[in-house]
Amino acid sequence: SYVLTQPPSVSVAPGQTARITCGGNNIGSKSVHWYQQKPGQAPVLVVYDDSDRPSGIPERFSGSNSGNTATLTISRVEAGDEADYYCQVWDSSSDHEVFGTGTKVTVL
Amino acid sequence: QITLKESGPTLVKPTQTLTLTCTFSGFSLSTSGVGVGWIRQPPGKALEWLALIYWDDDKRYSPSLKSRLTITKDTSKNQVVLTMTNMDPVDTATYYCAHRRVIAAAFNYWGQGTLVTVSS
Repeated sequence: SYVLTQPPSVSVAPGQTARITCGGNNIGSKSVHWYQQKPGQAPVLVVYDDSDRPSGIPERFSGSNSGNTATLTISRVEAGDEADYYCQVWDSSSDHEVFGTGTKVTVL
Repeated sequence: QITLKESGPTLVKPTQTLTLTCTFSGFSLSTSGVGVGWIRQPPGKALEWLALIYWDDDKRYSPSLKSRLTITKDTSKNQVVLTMTNMDPVDTATYYCAHRRVIAAAFNYWGQGTLVTVSS
């Protein structure tokens, strides 16, 4: 089955840039979606189809995807960005959904 | 405005069958491409996809749980129902339902989730 691997944690100072990776075999050939989840809340979509943002999501959130790694980048990090982040793809070979292992972003 | 809400028991006993209902508004599950999925999250752990049903009644299940899951829809009631048999304490989790616009698209709207505890 397809596996998506994320670093367990990323720490970043306010105003700096956080980069969260999502590794998967040839993930560059898939559409990657990213979700933000704050404690006690449902996930919220922040980036879809590798690099598009839903309405209402700040431009500080951006995504890229190539080769075996997709990346969610949060620029000018704010305290309110502290949350868990998950990547997700649809694996066409199995026709199943796959979520990443999740990354906790801590704002120092 | 799309909304989804999960409902069902908060406590089930081991070996029992869990039935969860997702009641939604703002879209129709008879619209081409639309799907509703179930995703769960054990306390302190990652999201895990469980099942999906599409507008044409096509269904998909997590390979690891396929034998225990059934997903159905009632288009007239705007509901999707998930049943999971033979519940175990490891199935304790918050269960979410979510909307997707077309196949492979992101889950762009989520319910608030419902916590299900499995304990005797």
